[in-house]
Amino acid sequence: AQSVTQLGSHVSVSEGALVLLRCNYSSSVPPYLFWYVQYPNQGLQLLLKYTSAATLVKGINDFEAEFKKSETSFHLTKPSAHMSDAAEYFCAVSLPTGGTSYGKLTFGQGTILTVHP
Amino acid sequence: NAGVTQTPKFQVLKTGQSMTLQCAQDMNHEYMSWYRQDPGMGLRLIHYSVGAGITDQGEVPNGYNVSRSTTEDFPLRLLSAAPSQTSVYFCASSYVKLAGASYEQYFGPGTRLTVT
Repeated sequence: AQSVTQLGSHVSVSEGALVLLRCNYSSSVPPYLFWYVQYPNQGLQLLLKYTSAATLVKGINDFEAEFKKSETSFHLTKPSAHMSDAAEYFCAVSLPTGGTSYGKLTFGQGTILTVHP
Repeated sequence: NAGVTQTPKFQVLKTGQSMTLQCAQDMNHEYMSWYRQDPGMGLRLIHYSVGAGITDQGEVPNGYNVSRSTTEDFPLRLLSAAPSQTSVYFCASSYVKLAGASYEQYFGPGTRLTVT
């Protein structure tokens, strides 16, 4: 079974500051990891995903995340926050397809990012 | 290409009423799933399907039924609504073609359900 923990349900940063959203996972086999973003009253949109090709993954809107197996982490960062980044962010884990996995996603609790002018 | 569509966007039910949330995708995805989103709990899997005629339970299946008669559609039924089912419901779909692969899940815009 896999699980995800997002440290911090709310993160507040100033415009132009570094964004760091934390995600730790637990999995019995090498997992696939995802970050999704949800803007108010919308569905979820994929920001980036880790599928073992490279440990540093770049996504849309200058977001990136680094897979650290030794720390079981997949933290999301962005060098300079924009007002438009204000949203809720979800980390998710899945196992490779095959057997009974089917790529089912397990989500963290979410982190609401607020960006101050 | 509409992606994943859900209807209705909003719904208010009284306790004990039944209804069906509709979900459709036009990407020929084998895998479809339903999640509910509640504050501070992320998204939790209700039911999923890996193809027409094949469904299975997720983490929180009680009070919900599903069926999959076509590749495109995956409706979620509430047989007797309860206030605990007040939530935002998301449908998602993805490919499941190659063993060992990972495919992005595409989400619909959601249905906001209130049960009074």
